[in-house]
Amino acid sequence: DTGVSQDPRHKITKRGQNVTFRCDPISEHNRLYWYRQTLGQGPEFLTYFQNEAQLEKSRLLSDRFSAERPKGSFSTLEIQRTEQGDSAMYLCASSFGDRGPGELFFGEGSRLTVL
Amino acid sequence: GNSVTQMEGPVTLSEEAFLTINCTYTATGYPSLFWYVQYPGEGLQLLLKATKADDKGSNKGFEATYRKETTSFHLEKGSVQVSDSAVYFCALSGSARQLTFGSGTQLTVLP
Repeated sequence: DTGVSQDPRHKITKRGQNVTFRCDPISEHNRLYWYRQTLGQGPEFLTYFQNEAQLEKSRLLSDRFSAERPKGSFSTLEIQRTEQGDSAMYLCASSFGDRGPGELFFGEGSRLTVL
Repeated sequence: GNSVTQMEGPVTLSEEAFLTINCTYTATGYPSLFWYVQYPGEGLQLLLKATKADDKGSNKGFEATYRKETTSFHLEKGSVQVSDSAVYFCALSGSARQLTFGSGTQLTVLP
């Protein structure tokens, strides 16, 4: 069990550029979540996958955001035309099917700074 | 909708002091309740959970009791250590497969 890994850990970009984050969940976990955390706040839910199916999306996930999990393993979160308000820590978490919905394993996050 | 309100920090205690971090919630239905902890430089980790009223979750000397009548899930520890210094998040999980988090409480324990 190597834990949830996220890449890159830090990304600095200019407004208007596209960025992509990758998440590798714990290998046997079929559920994968993306959250966003801004300074001084708790994480906010963005989206959830069960295997390769995206089952829930938050209203926070504007049309500039897209997430995929093509083979039910790793996932990517892409932000197009970044804005300064997108600056945040993007957290990935995973869980296994018959655990309770709140028992998540989180990665260390990918910090995005938009200049 | 669901919401979680946490005691604002930061909280600074001396080693071996008693800790309470207050958490109250608003939710429809019967949520499960959680405390997550984030140590410096690490990802969030589940500390403890309770899935129904009057359940007590416990781990590493920390405890929290699910109080439906007061919609609370306060975190307590009888004797904190320097290694407990971290940010603590209260969270709930309702019918949807997502967690709603509080804003976090920074705890610093001084030797």
